Amino acid sequence: DIQMTQSPSSLSASVGDRVTITCRASQGISNFLAWYQQTPGKLPKLLIYAASTLQSGVPSRFSGSGSGTDFTLTISSLQPEDVASFYCLNYNTAPFTFGPGTKVDIK
Amino acid sequence: EVQLLESGGGLVQPGGSLRLSCAASGFTFNNYAMNWVRQAPGKGLEWVSSISGRGESIYYADSVKGRFTISRDSSKNTLFLQMNSLRAEDTAVYYCARGSGSSVRNPFDVWGQGTTVTVSS
Repeated sequence: DIQMTQSPSSLSASVGDRVTITCRASQGISNFLAWYQQTPGKLPKLLIYAASTLQSGVPSRFSGSGSGTDFTLTISSLQPEDVASFYCLNYNTAPFTFGPGTKVDIK
Repeated sequence: EVQLLESGGGLVQPGGSLRLSCAASGFTFNNYAMNWVRQAPGKGLEWVSSISGRGESIYYADSVKGRFTISRDSSKNTLFLQMNSLRAEDTAVYYCARGSGSSVRNPFDVWGQGTTVTVSS
């Protein structure tokens, strides 16, 4: 089974900062990687799919990159409404796997 | 409007069974894979099971294999999760999520509100 790791597990940044979250797969998954945002008490929201494609309606400050085993989610300018947990998802090979999550808050 | 509405959660004793349902509306049900994802209290997301648009491909997490069964009824536009031999560690909010295409190899683009399953004596 493919294991997903994320780093960091949590971070605190200032409004306007550039934030980068990393996700690593234990085996290559091509670009079958999605990113989700879950604000407290809310549903997970699809941000990025196919590693780098922005889901419709998602602000352009979010971007994704990577292929194979190493992926990144970048928030170009952190906003207060971005306080949330972020998860990557491998949907290349079942059993599908989420990363453990990265909690982002405002400094 | 695309909607998913789960039901069937509740309190059950260890070893018991529950059947979750997810009623879909606003899209052509057969054209989309469907998934179950759960989230234990204070924990991250855990993929549970997926079924392709026509039901020909089914997959389970190792943690539920042999105990849970996913199915879909196209006449009712409904997804199901039959959960048997429930354990305390199955306690979670269970989300129904649509895949963005008919194959299971698609990201989950629409999520239901979730239904809570509590396994406790």
